[in-house]
This record gives sequence, C-alpha cells and structure tokens, in this order.
Amino acid sequence: KNEVEQSPQNLTAQEGEFITINCSYSVGISALHWLQQHPGGGIVSLFMLSSGKKKHGRLIATINIQEKHSSLHITASHPRDSAVYICAVLFDGGSQGNLIFGKGTKLSVKP
Amino acid sequence: GAGVSQSPSNKVTEKGKDVELRCDPISGHTALYWYRQRLGQGLEFLIYFQGNSAPDKSGLPSDRFSAERTGESVSTLTIQRTQQEDSAVYLCASSLGFYRGDQPQHFGDGTRLSIL
Repeated sequence: KNEVEQSPQNLTAQEGEFITINCSYSVGISALHWLQQHPGGGIVSLFMLSSGKKKHGRLIATINIQEKHSSLHITASHPRDSAVYICAVLFDGGSQGNLIFGKGTKLSVKP
Repeated sequence: GAGVSQSPSNKVTEKGKDVELRCDPISGHTALYWYRQRLGQGLEFLIYFQGNSAPDKSGLPSDRFSAERTGESVSTLTIQRTQQEDSAVYLCASSLGFYRGDQPQHFGDGTRLSIL
C-alpha cells in the first residue's frame, strides 16, 4: 500500500526556534509537495520537489530519494507560521493527478 | 488576478438530497482537482481533469459521486442521495497542467458540506 507518514503529528515551538517536520513514504515517487493549511482552512502550496533542496524565505524543503524521506524546515519561527503542514506525494506509476496526502503536522508557535 | 473560486462556501442539506458543488479554476489552468477533507482527517483525492483527456475518477468513493468539467473551465461535483458520511470540506485546486514536480496547485477555499 502506498503510504505517506508525517511526524510529528503535533508540534509546539517558541518564537524564534528552528522547526523540522518530517515526511516518509513507502515506494518511489515522481514528485512531493509541501502544503500549508491555515486555521481558516485555506491551503497554500509551499514547495514541489523531486530531488535536492528548495528554499523560499525562511522555509527550506529537502528530499532524499534513496531514503524516501523529505523534511520541511522553518528558520526563526514566528506565530504566523502556526498552521497545519501537509506532505503529499505522487507515486511512480500512479495516476498523474492522484496525490496521496499525509495526515498533516499541526504547528503552534508561541510568542 | 482571481484565484480558484468555489461555491457555495457552506451547504447544509438533509440526508438523501442531491447537492452540486461548483469550482471556477484560474483562467488558463488546464488541470483541475477535487479533494475531500473530513473533520480531523487528511485530504483525499477524488477526481482529476486534465485538458480534454478522460478524467481520472479513481478517487471517487461511490457511484453517488460524479463530476463534470466544461472544457478547461468550470467544474461541478455532484453528490446524489447524500449520506451523513459525506459531510466534509470539498476542495478544488487547479494548475497550469501537469509537468512532473514542477506545477503548483492553487486551492480554493472549499465548500463545507453538512448533511443533517
């Protein structure tokens, strides 16, 4: 079964802390997405990657294809980063549109 | 520019009724996706449209669910004979078309469906 596992499920941090959210998957993929879901429900695409590393502002996403693992890092965290972060993958051989989602990591950043 | 627009934003209906949810994708986006998110659960893929290709319906949970798309514009998701387990937020997303690993999906705000 193609699965996506995220950890931790919940994360509380103090403002300014460095945060890491992990995503592991079971079989080969062609693409991995990191999404952010705000408390109001809106979803924003943060990154898509199939190899290496991407950086946007204080956010960094990395992927290790051999280990079937990706991490999302947030540097100098801020209360406005509080959201649910979702990893989603497109498995090799799967439907082009069929993203499989992790259950999300709920992040709370305290001032 | 306008983002992905979904309507209605909220829908409350009685069990057994049919409902129709609408999605207006970003202009020019050839790919359109429907997802469902039940309370406290992760997102589930429902259906995917890409241009004029046959849609991928592999995520539709039952034959009560169907979706259509007119060309590369509006899509409607229809749920017939609604059941309480259909209660969820239904999210639509669109993208410029599928190129592996390279096209972001832009999400609408969703339709919150409650079945009484």
